[in-house]
Amino acid sequence: AQTVTQSQPEMSVQEAETVTLSCTYDTSENNYYLFWYKQPPSRQMILVIRQEAYKQQNATENRFSVNFQKAAKSFSLKISDSQLGDTAMYFCAFMKPSGGADGLTFGKGTHLIIQP
Amino acid sequence: GAVVSQHPSWVICKSGTSVKIECRSLDFQATTMFWYRQFPKQSLMLMATSNEGSKATYEQGVEKDKFLINHASLTLSTLTVTSAHPEDSSFYICSAPRRVLEAFFGQGTRLTVV
Repeated sequence: AQTVTQSQPEMSVQEAETVTLSCTYDTSENNYYLFWYKQPPSRQMILVIRQEAYKQQNATENRFSVNFQKAAKSFSLKISDSQLGDTAMYFCAFMKPSGGADGLTFGKGTHLIIQP
Repeated sequence: GAVVSQHPSWVICKSGTSVKIECRSLDFQATTMFWYRQFPKQSLMLMATSNEGSKATYEQGVEKDKFLINHASLTLSTLTVTSAHPEDSSFYICSAPRRVLEAFFGQGTRLTVV
């Protein structure tokens, strides 16, 4: 079974700063998928970014980027130029390479607070 | 707009009664849907995988008779919490993959059992 660990229960930064959320995971799989999801107060889960393990290049989506270190089983999320709307719970998630037939394994989450 | 619709958004029921939660994929067919449970200030825990045309697959520790899942069509999965008790109070979220790596989540259902 795989596990996902997020060691930062809460983080707080000033608006416009850069923040990095950490995530480590454990799996015996060689190919898999990793995700970062955002859950704002509405509790609607929103996909932030995803990474396929066989791709060495780190994924980027506008202000969001990841640092994927496969050997270290680390998958951190960097948010640049943070905005008030980034305030939310952020969950790191793992999915086995089953073409979507398996659900996601989530970390415990990091509550990110962007201060004005 | 939302591509996965979950209903109701919140429900209050009396202890001992049953509650049904619906999850619909609005513009795509989903042979598989997932049900998660989220306790306050905690993570999402996968409860079961709903399979169209066959039995659901439950995660270890999830009571099959307590949480009945029916995947009646390619666009609808239902979760019925039977004989609900206060400890079943939680936030329930469904998810459906439109394509590989493209899973969409419903808005969630807050269940309160009194």
